[in-house]
Amino acid sequence: GDSVTQMEGPVTLSEEAFLTINCTYTATGYPSLFWYVQYPGEGLQLLLKATKADDKGSNKGFEATYRKETTSFHLEKGSVQVSDSAVYFCAMEYGNKLVFGAGTILRVKS
Amino acid sequence: DTEVTQTPKHLVMGMTNKKSLKCEQHMGHRAMYWYKQKAKKPPELMFVYSYEKLSINESVPSRFSPECPNSSLLNLHLHALQPEDSALYLCASSQDPGATYEQYFGPGTRLTVT
Repeated sequence: GDSVTQMEGPVTLSEEAFLTINCTYTATGYPSLFWYVQYPGEGLQLLLKATKADDKGSNKGFEATYRKETTSFHLEKGSVQVSDSAVYFCAMEYGNKLVFGAGTILRVKS
Repeated sequence: DTEVTQTPKHLVMGMTNKKSLKCEQHMGHRAMYWYKQKAKKPPELMFVYSYEKLSINESVPSRFSPECPNSSLLNLHLHALQPEDSALYLCASSQDPGATYEQYFGPGTRLTVT
């Protein structure tokens, strides 16, 4: 069935390190893809999205490119900050609903 | 104003109680959602309201009863809950139905059933 798979965490990085969180999807067709972030004690916020192949979503220094050939939407940031510590969810559109990956905890230490 | 508000922030209820969760948005959005999130898990969709009508019910037990009194408000009525229903309940809204539209989430109500 249609699903989203994320790399397991937690991911622990030092400040200013490079971040990659892997995300792959299984779907018929070409769904829209999203990254949501959840800071402690809060709801989810949309971080970025891409609606078609080769689209690059970007926001707050984060980027992800919709790769049709590898069915991937990996999240990257060149230099993380302590304030980026949160849970990151990859998601895709499926039948008018969002399907979320399991989430990846990111911890950034100073 | 891109805010979705939820009340209460925390709720503790016994298994025989009746309580309600409230959600409000003033962005003119026509789709509203209830999600349930257990600790360290992704949100699970419960209900979707589209233009104030229930459009999706993800086989949620009848002890959860949603209501959309108007386009800005969404309620979730709770009755005879079980301890396993303890979770963070998130409300969201989007401009239109359809998952390609950005969903704006509220901060959630943390529910504990004793």
